[in-house]
Formats: sequence, C-alpha cells, structure tokens
Amino acid sequence: RKEVEQDPGPFNVPEGATVAFNCTYSNSASQSFFWYRQDCRKEPKLLMSVYSSGNEDGRFTAQLNRASQYISLLIRDSKLSDSATYLCVVNTGFQKLVFGTGTRLLVSP
Amino acid sequence: GAVVSQHPSRVICKSGTSVKIECRSLDFQATTMFWYRQFPKQSLMLMATSNEGSKATYEQGVEKDKFLINHASLTLSTLTVTSAHPEDSSFYICSARVGQGAGYEQYFGPGTRLTVT
Repeated sequence: RKEVEQDPGPFNVPEGATVAFNCTYSNSASQSFFWYRQDCRKEPKLLMSVYSSGNEDGRFTAQLNRASQYISLLIRDSKLSDSATYLCVVNTGFQKLVFGTGTRLLVSP
Repeated sequence: GAVVSQHPSRVICKSGTSVKIECRSLDFQATTMFWYRQFPKQSLMLMATSNEGSKATYEQGVEKDKFLINHASLTLSTLTVTSAHPEDSSFYICSARVGQGAGYEQYFGPGTRLTVT
C-alpha cells in the first residue's frame, strides 16, 4: 500500500462548480498534512496546511480525519486558473514529506 | 511564502559529463534543504536531505557517489549529477524547510529540467 494515495483524476468540471478531492495516508503516526498545487512542468507550491479542526482559505477548505486517515480539499466556485495537479503531502514524523501522485483538475469554460 | 531559487532552470548535457545544480534560499536561512526528483506523471521522490555543515542523508536506492550534495552555507545547497546517463534525465527540485518540529513548511525551488543525451 502506498503511504499516500490519491485518485489521479482528471476531474473535469465547469467554471463555478464545487469539487472535492480525497487523500488517504497509511502511517497513523503522521504529524502534519498539506495540500500543494503543481502546474505543468513547474514546482509544487504550498496551497494550505491542513489542521485537525479543519481550515478555510477563501474558496478552499481542507479537512483532516485522523480516525479514518484521510484528508480532503474542497474547492468552491472553480476558476479556470484552478486547473492544476493537487498534491496531498504528509509529514510522516521522520521530518520528511511524502507526496501523493496528485489529482489533476481541469476547469473548463 | 519563503523564496527558493534554483539554477539552472534547464540543462542539456552529454552522457558521461557532470552537471551541478544550485539551490538558494533567498530571504531566509535554511539549515535543512531537500532534493527531489520527479519523472513524468509520477510523484516527487525524495533523493536526499541536506544539512548545513554535515553530510547529506540519502534515501534508499540513491547513490551518494553519483549524486553529490554539498550544503556549505545556510543559503546554498548544490547537487552534482556525476557521469550522467540518459536515465538521469528528470526534473530535479530542491526545497528548503522553514520552521521546526512538526509544524514546519517546505518551499520549493522552480526546478531544474535535466536532459542527458
């Protein structure tokens, strides 16, 4: 089993739609969690950290469920510029980040 | 967020030659930097952890004599791919850690696309 698993997609949605991605992790000792965004042939950029209480940043909401070991990212009112690959990233407790393979989002006009 | 630069952004070299990639933290000091490699349609894979003033820690399966890492200052880490082969062609990305303990964040450089012919 992979340490971090994501549905690769692609998720094809129209502008204005709401879309959600899930990610599961296998190491129950994982300490911190992040969503990164990666555009084609570019480096990953930190989108948001994920806290136990859940957190929101504008149109983006991240949730963590430690009992079920999954993380979610909700994007509301999708924009064309949201098209990218979204990487679920977990700090497994060994001071190293483990990356999922990413979920590709395509927002169309 | 913190700014990390990488140079060069793209390099083409011949098989058997060596290539050096630089990673700099521009507005902060980074005691720890990380080097990743990403093949097309795959996730980032950690190659090594670079600590300022000490030897790098390599992940399993990464040859330390082939991928030389030097972290000589708090703002600069270098990765040298020695005797490069076509299978080393990949996207190499460095990142620097900001913060301590479990709450740290990592910021990535723009990456270096290496093509070995």
